[in-house]
Formats: sequence, C-alpha cells, structure tokens
Amino acid sequence: AQSVSQHNHHVILSEAASLELGCNYSYGGTVNLFWYVQYPGQHLQLLLKYFSGDPLVKGIKGFEAEFIKSKFSFNLRKPSVQWSDTAEYFCAVTAHTGGFKTIFGAGTRLFVKA
Amino acid sequence: GAGVSQSPSNKVTEKGKDVELRCDPISGHTALYWYRQRLGQGLEFLIYFQGNSAPDKSGLPSDRFSAERTGESVSTLTIQRTQQEDSAVYLCASSLGQPSSGNTIYFGEGSWLTVV
Repeated sequence: AQSVSQHNHHVILSEAASLELGCNYSYGGTVNLFWYVQYPGQHLQLLLKYFSGDPLVKGIKGFEAEFIKSKFSFNLRKPSVQWSDTAEYFCAVTAHTGGFKTIFGAGTRLFVKA
Repeated sequence: GAGVSQSPSNKVTEKGKDVELRCDPISGHTALYWYRQRLGQGLEFLIYFQGNSAPDKSGLPSDRFSAERTGESVSTLTIQRTQQEDSAVYLCASSLGQPSSGNTIYFGEGSWLTVV
C-alpha cells in the first residue's frame, strides 16, 4: 500500500525566505503526485500536480515541485515566501493500481512572519 | 452545482447517536473519497469509491463507520453510536478517476461533526 511522509510538521519563516517542504512516498509503480494547500478558514485546493513529462512542475503563486523518482520524493519549493503563504500544505500520491486511491501526508503548517 | 457539495456543514450530536453525512460529487466524476481531518491533524483516508468496483474500505476506523454510494452520484457516510473521538471535519472529494487527466481531486467544504 502506498504511504506519504512529510518530514516537517511546522515551519516558521520570515518573508522573503526560501521554502522547501519535504515529501516522500512509498510505492514502486506509476504515481501521480500532488501538493494541496489549505489557507486558514478555507477548504483544500490544488497547488500543483505531476502526472507525466517534465519532473519539474510549476504551480500557482510561484510554487514549484520536483519529482525525483529515484528518491521517491516530490519536494515543494518557493524561492521567496510571502505572509499570504501562511497555510497548511499537504502532499498526496495516487498510485496506479487497480483503482486510483489518493493518500495524503500529515501536512506541514507554514507560518510566515511579516 | 459545479463543485462537491456536502451536508450538513455543521452537526452537533450527542454521544451514542447515529449520524449521516451526505456528499454530492461533481457530475461525471467516477471516483469519490471520504477523508477525516481531526483538529490540528492531517487528512486521514476513510473510504474510496471508483465506478462500479468494490469500494476500498481500508481506512474506516471501526465497524461503526460505513459508507454507501448510489451509482456514480451521491454518497452517504454513516457513523453509528458516535463517540467523542469521532469529532472532526469529514471531507468528501471526487475526481475523474483517470490517470491520464492527472486525477486531480476536488474537495467539498466539509462537514464539521461535534460529538458532545
């Protein structure tokens, strides 16, 4: 069965700092990978996704993530964070098995100090 | 509607009572998920429906939890004999269920359940 690990549960950064959130998954076959974001008081929404092609994926609001198959990783990055990036970030993986169940990581709470 | 719709948005129930939570997925989405998010915690997978296949119930925490889905439309999550630890947001999500589309999941607003 697939699983997803997010290494950082809480991250505190100052504005303009660079961000990297770790995500590793366990599944040996083909996968789709996602980052979702949940802003305070809002529901989950898609930040970016990988399903084929270029392993470097660019999403909304200047976020990007790189799929490194050999490391089973899909880390999220942003070169310069803003106060408005304060949110909880979830990594997710869909394994291409008989069905396409999507499993989420535990989430990383990011707080950006103004 | 255009998005995933859940009801009720909020539910307060007494310990020991049964509750039903409803989800209307996006039209045409064959995959439907239920997740649970306890306060301050991540998303916990509960159950997954894909078309006419048998549902994946591997995430249901106990036999007090069950879910049904009518064809490729409405789903109901039922919690029997509720306990205080069942208090959480129950999130429903749907997707096209096809890898070629990237299988993006779209979430509803959630049903906040409080067991007192």
